[in-house]
Amino acid sequence: GQQVMQIPQYQHVQEGEDFTTYCNSSTTLSNIQWYKQRPGGHPVFLIQLVKSGEVKKQKRLTFQFGEAKKNSSLHITATQTTDVGTYFCLSGGYQKVTFGTGTKLQVIP
Amino acid sequence: DSGVTQTPKHLITATGQRVTLRCSPRSGDLSVYWYQQSLDQGLQFLIQYYNGEERAKGNILERFSAQQFPDLHSELNLSSLELGDSALYFCASSVEHTGDSDGYTFGSGTRLTVV
Repeated sequence: GQQVMQIPQYQHVQEGEDFTTYCNSSTTLSNIQWYKQRPGGHPVFLIQLVKSGEVKKQKRLTFQFGEAKKNSSLHITATQTTDVGTYFCLSGGYQKVTFGTGTKLQVIP
Repeated sequence: DSGVTQTPKHLITATGQRVTLRCSPRSGDLSVYWYQQSLDQGLQFLIQYYNGEERAKGNILERFSAQQFPDLHSELNLSSLELGDSALYFCASSVEHTGDSDGYTFGSGTRLTVV
């Protein structure tokens, strides 16, 4: 099955600093989705990337799908305390839906 | 409210027992997925059903089983429970069997504590 590694596992940033999490797959992905899970909450869908090299933006969040469709990144500009949570990537497709290991983001006010 | 309903929200039971977790997918969604999340851990995919049929299987133990009924709700049965089965169990749903551009919609989860 697909192995999706996500780095870093934890990240502490000062409020206002930027943050990036990366997902790397051993196989080519049909698509990749990103989710955010607030502490004590459930994962909430953020976005889906399908095309090679695709870049999508949502306000301060920038999502990118690699040219080879084996990696993806989520970048947050000027973090806020509301960005606290764990960010997961999810590789979809027909056979299995595999979440990345997640990056837990702490924002220090 | 995400539209995916999971019951019960909390469950405390003893080792060796059997429990059933229930999930009602979002209206119109045909796929149901079950995930296990242990404390401060990632989300482990257990099993997927699409329109009543098993579609994909993940790291689901033989002591665990699931089914999706004609009304599309799903149940996850956990038997011979062990302490290590204590976790948050999430159900998610989507329209297509591969998910769609709106992603998977998760329920609030069932927190299972085995004592």
